[in-house]
Amino acid sequence: ILNVEQSPQSLHVQEGDSTNFTCSFPSSNFYALHWYRWETAKSPEALFVMTLNGDEKKKGRISATLNTKEGYSYLYIKGSQPEDSATYLCAFSSGGSNYKLTFGKGTLLTVNP
Amino acid sequence: NAGVTQTPKFQVLKTGQSMTLQCAQDMNHNSMYWYRQDPGMGLRLIYYSASEGTTDKGEVPNGYNVSRLNKREFSLRLESAAPSQTSVYFCASILSLGRSYEQYFGPGTRLTVT
Repeated sequence: ILNVEQSPQSLHVQEGDSTNFTCSFPSSNFYALHWYRWETAKSPEALFVMTLNGDEKKKGRISATLNTKEGYSYLYIKGSQPEDSATYLCAFSSGGSNYKLTFGKGTLLTVNP
Repeated sequence: NAGVTQTPKFQVLKTGQSMTLQCAQDMNHNSMYWYRQDPGMGLRLIYYSASEGTTDKGEVPNGYNVSRLNKREFSLRLESAAPSQTSVYFCASILSLGRSYEQYFGPGTRLTVT
């Protein structure tokens, strides 16, 4: 069973703060790392898919980096807003014809106005 | 283009009852997945189907069966529901374009087994 760890489990920040969380995954047999944003009572929404060591992706105030050699990815949110409050999930894939994702348990972010 | 749809949205079952959760996607995706989400456990893969006509077990398949009826539809069946199967169930499908994979989720089915 693959181990995908996310930290912290939860985070409370003030509006305007910048924040970051970590996803750790196996460094062997790496194919792709996915990040999702998951609001309560909705379905997970894809943020990024990262495949290459050193990849950096950005979408608005959210960005992510990838280190496949040491098995971690960081997600950054600059100037957090209340609407950023959600659970952020990462998922690891080792690829193959049967493409499967192993999810971490997520980081719950709460941004206080 | 509805994306991934699931029915029903909510269901309450008694222990021992059976039911089928339906999932359909209209994006012509090859691969489809069923996950369950429990507090503190994240998303766990129950079954998946890499292509029409194939299905494989995921991390937590016990108590479930699946059918990939055609390319669009992937159903999950509980033959004899147990309280441990109380969960939120998500169906997903993946588009693969070369080395890029994007997974799309349905809205979820909240199942309670009493």
